[in-house]
Amino acid sequence: DAGVTQSPTHLIKTRGQQVTLRCSPKSGHDTVSWYQQALGQGPQFIFQYYEEEERQRGNFPDRFSGHQFPNYSSELNVNALLLGDSALYLCASSSLGVQRGQETQYFGPGTRLLVL
Amino acid sequence: GDSVTQMEGPVTLSEEAFLTINCTYTATGYPSLFWYVQYPGEGLQLLLKATKADDKGSNKGFEATYRKETTSFHLEKGSVQVSDSAVYFCALSDQTGANNLFFGTGTRLTVIP
Repeated sequence: DAGVTQSPTHLIKTRGQQVTLRCSPKSGHDTVSWYQQALGQGPQFIFQYYEEEERQRGNFPDRFSGHQFPNYSSELNVNALLLGDSALYLCASSSLGVQRGQETQYFGPGTRLLVL
Repeated sequence: GDSVTQMEGPVTLSEEAFLTINCTYTATGYPSLFWYVQYPGEGLQLLLKATKADDKGSNKGFEATYRKETTSFHLEKGSVQVSDSAVYFCALSDQTGANNLFFGTGTRLTVIP
């Protein structure tokens, strides 16, 4: 049973560029959440996708956008990159069909983005 | 808003020592509580969870009890091993429907032989 997969594993960009990160959820999961983990910090919630729509969003600017495909995979796009966007970007999948409070988010290995 | 306050590290212990990592939370309603572990170069792995007051989560010798009266979810292990060296994150799941996670800042544990 494949877990959550993310690509690429590492990425280097320059300020002002745009980046797209990809995530495939664990088999049987229909919900994808994205988190940003700055060095030495805990992950921070960016947004969550379910049924191809953004369900909830954390405190991140509109430069951060996403998409979910019919096969439940997801993309995170970041425009006009800033130095402060350098971080580990984590994708987590879960199943909203599970009784509320019982669901667990499973994380992928992350994509490490460096903005120069 | 919801938040998690976690014991600052780093923590260095000798093998077979007792481990406690403190975690307290602030939340409206009744969140679910989690401990995740991050090994070097890897993503987060769920270690244990508790979904209601007085529940005890346990896994791989680690335990944590959901204490509503003290809003705490401290992680404990009776005898740590070198392989337990990692960063540990306490987290809560909000109750707004999306159930996104709020994380603490993490505690780095190093176990020396």
